[in-house]
Amino acid sequence: AIWMTQSPSLLSASTGDRVTISCRMSQGISSYLAWYQQKPGKAPELLIYAASTLQSGVPSRFSGSGSGTDFTLTISCLQSEDFATYYCQQYYSFPRTFGQGTKVEIK
Amino acid sequence: QVQLVESGGGVVQPGGSLRLSCAASGFTFSSYGMHWVRQAPGKGLEWVAFIRYDGSNKYYADSVKGRFTISRDNSKNTLYLQMNSLRAEDTAVYYCAMSLAGYYDILTGYYDYFDYWGQGTLVTVSS
Repeated sequence: AIWMTQSPSLLSASTGDRVTISCRMSQGISSYLAWYQQKPGKAPELLIYAASTLQSGVPSRFSGSGSGTDFTLTISCLQSEDFATYYCQQYYSFPRTFGQGTKVEIK
Repeated sequence: QVQLVESGGGVVQPGGSLRLSCAASGFTFSSYGMHWVRQAPGKGLEWVAFIRYDGSNKYYADSVKGRFTISRDNSKNTLYLQMNSLRAEDTAVYYCAMSLAGYYDILTGYYDYFDYWGQGTLVTVSS
């Protein structure tokens, strides 16, 4: 199985901040990485796939980068609706695996 | 539009069984692989199982292998998860999920992320 290390687990930030979340793989996965946002009581929503492709309808303040083993999700200017939990997920091989999650909270 | 609606959750005793269903609509169900993903209360997401569009290939997380069985009925546009020998640690919200962008590479396998999710169904394993 491919192990994923997502960091930080908790991120305190203010509206307008630029925030970065990291995801590191135990082995290379090319660009087969997705990012999701989840709000309490809701199903996750896809933000980014293929490491850097923005899903339709997702605001351009979200961006993804990386390939191989190291990936990053960046929110350029945090908005109030962005306070949520974020997960990375690899779809390079089975079993599919998720990162542990990053909760972005209001500072 | 794509809709995935899970059902079948509930309270079950340790060692018991439960079958979850996921009714799909808005796309050609028989053409796409389908997944189950779960989330224990207050915890992160855990992938559970996958089934190929025609049911010919299945994959499972180690944590459920030998206890859970994924299946599908393409004539009914429905995905299933048969859960046996349930444990307290199986308590979670179970989601079905899929992608309309999934594709097979004949040499290297199947690639898909999750752009569609159901609303989830809660399974509680407790005596």
